[in-house]
Amino acid sequence: DQQVKQNSPSLSVQEGRISILNCDYTNSMFDYFLWYKKYPAEGPTFLISISSIKDKNEDGRFTVFLNKSAKHLSLHIVPSQPGDSAVYFCAASSTNAGKSTFGDGTTLTVKP
Amino acid sequence: NAGVMQNPRHLVRRRGQEARLRCSPVKGHSHVYWYRQLPEEGLKFMVYLQKENIIDESGMPKERFSAEFPKEGPSILRIQQVVRGDSAAYFCASSPRQDSTDTQYFGPGTRLTVL
Repeated sequence: DQQVKQNSPSLSVQEGRISILNCDYTNSMFDYFLWYKKYPAEGPTFLISISSIKDKNEDGRFTVFLNKSAKHLSLHIVPSQPGDSAVYFCAASSTNAGKSTFGDGTTLTVKP
Repeated sequence: NAGVMQNPRHLVRRRGQEARLRCSPVKGHSHVYWYRQLPEEGLKFMVYLQKENIIDESGMPKERFSAEFPKEGPSILRIQQVVRGDSAAYFCASSPRQDSTDTQYFGPGTRLTVL
């Protein structure tokens, strides 16, 4: 039973356009959500997060939207750059649980 | 200002041997997490430790796997009698507190190959 799902294994966009990566979760106890970026042969790097008390968090070109009723979050990258090409993982956790539950990742390719 | 260190980066073992993976957290972080990533999959939680304590080992296989985080020194993930299915990337992460709002900082991972 996968509690965090990223249904698109891959996404390809043109440089300068918007990238939208989606994530769905099933556990209503999750109250904190994170996006990580991962390059080959490296560990995941934290990108942006959002608490369940918010529905939007923005950091530069990256914005995360949370729809609690739909148990859905998305990461928007605009404008997309070739250096954004990587695997993006959505993760979720619940207060004081410590551990994070990860999706299987979406490979983003930004074409010049 | 060193981040999470993991060694070795690559480890090759034959079936039946033991694998020891080491993780040094960010200085000052007392919470360590181990995750495993199989090919084409996401990271799966294995175990969460504080100094000298295992807090949550719900993701650890019941046999052959153990983890520790001693008072001094790195955290160790130990796999006894490795099998081919143990081949994966093992990532360690650390955080300063248990609070879910604390970002977990990941190491570069140890890629275990079992021949």
